[in-house]
Amino acid sequence: EPEVTQTPSHQVTQMGQEVILRCVPISNHLYFYWYRQILGQKVEFLVSFYNNEISEKSEIFDDQFSVERPDGSNFTLKIRSTKLEDSAMYFCASTPGTAYGYTFGSGTRLTVV
Amino acid sequence: TQLLEQSPQFLSIQEGENLTVYCNSSSVFSSLQWYRQEPGEGPVLLVTVVTGGEVKKLKRLTFQFGDARKDSSLHITAAQPGDTGLYLCAGEALGSQGNLIFGKGTKLSVKP
Repeated sequence: EPEVTQTPSHQVTQMGQEVILRCVPISNHLYFYWYRQILGQKVEFLVSFYNNEISEKSEIFDDQFSVERPDGSNFTLKIRSTKLEDSAMYFCASTPGTAYGYTFGSGTRLTVV
Repeated sequence: TQLLEQSPQFLSIQEGENLTVYCNSSSVFSSLQWYRQEPGEGPVLLVTVVTGGEVKKLKRLTFQFGDARKDSSLHITAAQPGDTGLYLCAGEALGSQGNLIFGKGTKLSVKP
C-alpha cells in the first residue's frame, strides 16, 4: 500500500537553529499538508499546499515556517529559528482530493533543547 | 474558532461489549473523518463521511454523520482486544483547503 514517508524520524536541535523536515507524499496525490502534535495534545493543522503554492495556513504557521516542493517528489517544512515550544511530532499528509481522507506519515519527532 | 468535542476521553471495557464514541460541534463540516493512532505513529484513516445522515460500516465498526453535518459517532460491536487504541475524529472546515480540526481523541482499552 502506498505510504507517506517522513525523514528523519527523530531530530534534536538547539534553540535558534534551522531545521528542515522532509516528506515524500504519495505520488499521485495533489494536496499536501503539515500538521503537528505537541505531546499529550490534539493534532493541529499548520499548512496546506496545492498546485505549488500555499492554499491555507494556520496562526501557528508564522514567518519562522516555510514549505517547499523543490522537485516532483519531496515536500519540506523549514523552521528558520527553532524555539523550545516548537518541540512536537510533525506529520506530513497527502490526499488525491479532500473528500477521500488523508494519508499521514509516521511523523518526525522534533526536540528543541 | 471551530471545535470538535470528542467523548468519552477514556473507555475501558471487556471483550465482547459494544461501545459508542461521539464527536460533536456547533459548526458544520464538509466532511468528517475517523482515524486511529498508535503511540508514536501518525493517524491512520478509518473512514470519511461526507453526506449528512450517511452511515458507513467497516466490519464491526459503524460510522454515522449527523443530518446537519455537525456531529458523528463511531460504534464498535463486540469489541476485541485488537480494537485497543486511540480513536480520533477530524472535521474538515467548510470552505477550507483541507484544514482538519481534530478532536482530543478517545483512548479505548478492551480487556480480554
